[in-house]
Amino acid sequence: GQQVMQIPQYQHVQEGEDFTTYCNSSTTLSNIQWYKQRPGGHPVFLIQLVKSGEVKKQKRLTFQFGEAKKNSSLHITATQTTDVGTYFCASRPTNDYKLSFGAGTTVTVRA
Amino acid sequence: DAGVTQSPTHLIKTRGQQVTLRCSPKSGHDTVSWYQQALGQGPQFIFQYYEEEERQRGNFPDRFSGHQFPNYSSELNVNALLLGDSALYLCASSLGKSSYNEQFFGPGTRLTVL
Repeated sequence: GQQVMQIPQYQHVQEGEDFTTYCNSSTTLSNIQWYKQRPGGHPVFLIQLVKSGEVKKQKRLTFQFGEAKKNSSLHITATQTTDVGTYFCASRPTNDYKLSFGAGTTVTVRA
Repeated sequence: DAGVTQSPTHLIKTRGQQVTLRCSPKSGHDTVSWYQQALGQGPQFIFQYYEEEERQRGNFPDRFSGHQFPNYSSELNVNALLLGDSALYLCASSLGKSSYNEQFFGPGTRLTVL
């Protein structure tokens, strides 16, 4: 599989502030997917990026795939309490079926 | 439109026992993947079933086996349970034609091995 590492492991954010979480690989990734898992819940698909330099937005969330396809980022603006949870990036090689997840970034929000 | 369902929700077993977990995929999906998620970690791929066959397997011992039925539902069997098998077991469904499709996860089965 394609190994991905996420930083930071934990992110404590003041409500209303912005933050970014990163996903890095030592090898070129075929694609990157992002999932969100609420406390006590299960992972929920957010987005998939495939093209070099691709940027996608979902309301306050901005996802980016690096030009070299070795890293990705998730930026959240004006953090809300509903953003609490663990954000995972995951990748799967072309013509492969094993989806490899990072360890996740756990986000807590101070009201 | 029913999403992915899993049963049971929780399970407590003792070391050496065997367990069977069940999964029904999202309507219209034909592929089922199983993941193990230990506390504080990301999901780890166990295997994927497509057309009633194991299509790919992760780094898990043979104690972990599975099955897919003609209606696309699936079972995960774990034999000779170890304490380290305690985890959340997640089932995810997708469409098998493309390897890029998003995974729809079920609520999981929380397995505790004593």
